[in-house]
Amino acid sequence: QLQLQESGPGLVKPSETLSLTCTVSGGSISSSSYYWAWIRQPPGKGLDWIGSIYYSGSTYYNPSLKSRVTISVDTSKNQFSLKLNSVTAADTAMFYCARRPGRGESHFDLWGRGTLVTVSS
Amino acid sequence: SYELTQPPSVSVSPGQTASITCSGDKLGDKYASWYQQRPGQSPVLVIYQDNKRPSGIPERFSGSNSGTTATLTISGTQAMDEADYYCQAWDYSTDVFGGGTKLTVL
Repeated sequence: QLQLQESGPGLVKPSETLSLTCTVSGGSISSSSYYWAWIRQPPGKGLDWIGSIYYSGSTYYNPSLKSRVTISVDTSKNQFSLKLNSVTAADTAMFYCARRPGRGESHFDLWGRGTLVTVSS
Repeated sequence: SYELTQPPSVSVSPGQTASITCSGDKLGDKYASWYQQRPGQSPVLVIYQDNKRPSGIPERFSGSNSGTTATLTISGTQAMDEADYYCQAWDYSTDVFGGGTKLTVL
């Protein structure tokens, strides 16, 4: 049974870089069938797609965050990562990693449990 | 940018049918998906490609999509269905979520 697990600091200072990792277990991140995504949810608010990556390193990002986001993949560790720079309090959110079958019209069929990141000094 | 609009809240009595809508420009030309999020939990996919149910999702969950509106229908609603529901679609290399609908089972 494939599982996703987010990890990283729960507290980040304003203007610094938020860094999270998603570890994929029970299956290979190098599967040709899937993209891997980051999605966030501010407290009490809705879901906000951040971006997605293929095992080859091909990425696409939410245009509203593109200037601050980098998503990368490490197939040797079966992990993919998120960096969000120049964070502010508005970036405080639960961050989820998720699996996406294919590019184009698709959905998110498996989600991690999420990790809460607070931006505060 | 593409937007999906959902009603903030929907109420239903136990055993009745709940319908949650999601509106967007030419949404019927795209695939819509739906997610259920119970309090304190991660979202769970309940409908994909407009009307397909993943393994393990009860048959009482169904979906449709036409014109500008996708609809999630829950037949014989149970107390355990009380949750937030989000629609999602793909538009020009961007995944978009609706704002979410809180389903209350009274």
